[in-house]
Amino acid sequence: KQEVTQIPAALSVPEGENLVLNCSFTDSAIYNLQWFRQDPGKGLTSLLLIQSSQREQTSGRLNASLDKSSGRSTLYIAASQPGDSATYLCAVRPAAQKLVFGQGTRLTINP
Amino acid sequence: NAGVTQTPKFQVLKTGQSMTLQCAQDMNHEYMSWYRQDPGMGLRLIHYSVGAGITDQGEVPNGYNVSRSTTEDFPLRLLSAAPSQTSVYFCASRGSHSSVLSDTQYFGPGTRLTVL
Repeated sequence: KQEVTQIPAALSVPEGENLVLNCSFTDSAIYNLQWFRQDPGKGLTSLLLIQSSQREQTSGRLNASLDKSSGRSTLYIAASQPGDSATYLCAVRPAAQKLVFGQGTRLTINP
Repeated sequence: NAGVTQTPKFQVLKTGQSMTLQCAQDMNHEYMSWYRQDPGMGLRLIHYSVGAGITDQGEVPNGYNVSRSTTEDFPLRLLSAAPSQTSVYFCASRGSHSSVLSDTQYFGPGTRLTVL
């Protein structure tokens, strides 16, 4: 059974720092991996999607990497801002119709 | 283009009552799904659909029914609400063709359900 783990559960950093969020999964047989952002009381917003054949994807200050063989992904956020404060969720797609989510990392950027 | 919409935003039910959570998308996506989000459990798949007239069970289907009569709508029915169904429910959709854009999952804003 595919399991997704995100460490740490919470992270607090001062504004301007670069930071890395971690995601690990137990089964390397995945179609893709997706990073989401969730603001309190809101839905999920897709940030980046990495296909299983890719190593990384970039969007603005965000860079996500994927090492399928070791079951790891990282989300790198450059020059963090208070508006980046949110919960970040990692999800893998082990089958066509299913996403398996981690529990998320709650990120706080302090001004 | 509204994306994925859900109604209602909040709902309180008594044990044994039934209700339907509405979900609609205007992106002509074939794939739609329902997740519930609970503290400590993350998001879990309830039911999904690969197109109009086709539905299947996810990880936690008991107590829920779905149907898909049109591409746009995918309602979730609670037949007899129980306190264990207190949760936040998210509807999601994605496209049908093999491309990065169609693989991206889009989520609605959620319905917060409390069952007393």
